[in-house]
Amino acid sequence: SAVISQKPSRDICQRGTSLTIQCQVDSQVTMMFWYRQQPGQSLTLIATANQGSEATYESGFVIDKFPISRPNLTFSTLTVSNMSPEDSSIYLCSAARGAEAFFGQGTRLTVV
Amino acid sequence: GESVGLHLPTLSVQEGDNSIINCAYSNSASDYFIWYKQESGKGPQFIIDIRSNMDKRQGQRVTVLLNKTVKHLSLQIAATQPGDSAVYFCAEKVGGGADGLTFGKGTHLIIQP
Repeated sequence: SAVISQKPSRDICQRGTSLTIQCQVDSQVTMMFWYRQQPGQSLTLIATANQGSEATYESGFVIDKFPISRPNLTFSTLTVSNMSPEDSSIYLCSAARGAEAFFGQGTRLTVV
Repeated sequence: GESVGLHLPTLSVQEGDNSIINCAYSNSASDYFIWYKQESGKGPQFIIDIRSNMDKRQGQRVTVLLNKTVKHLSLQIAATQPGDSAVYFCAEKVGGGADGLTFGKGTHLIIQP
């Protein structure tokens, strides 16, 4: 398995601002992903974080709103830009080694 | 797009009983399925997985059954314990590892003392 650490674990942000979430994996992994989990709901894939190239976004998610970086095989960031209350959610980082995927504890974001 | 769904949003069972959580998937191309457990305030935790070339796989107190004919997946938990109380998600993907997961809605399992 892989140990995934996310920072911050939670934050309360003003609308119109941006927040960058960091994800650190304790070992090199092939793939890294970012998910959103709205209150009381399931997880939705935002994008695949590709090392050295632009992230691959799922339908409904765009780079301008959720810019992603992945400078190496163990680290990625997700920025939630120009936040609104609708962005209040849990954001989860995931890493995959082969087919098996592991998750961080998530970042609970509240936008006021 | 296609999605994975669950039949029951909440399941309550007596401690010590067996529980069965069901999941229907719609993407016939999916070939890898995973069950996750999510406790409050934590990320999903891997429980067990199964590939499409199998119809049953067993772990410690858990069994996953896959019926490709009707696109149905189930998670059986034997002799439930209070620590089994959590939300359980099924997830699926196509291919070996390059794609992210599609998650079902989740079932909240409550273990009654």
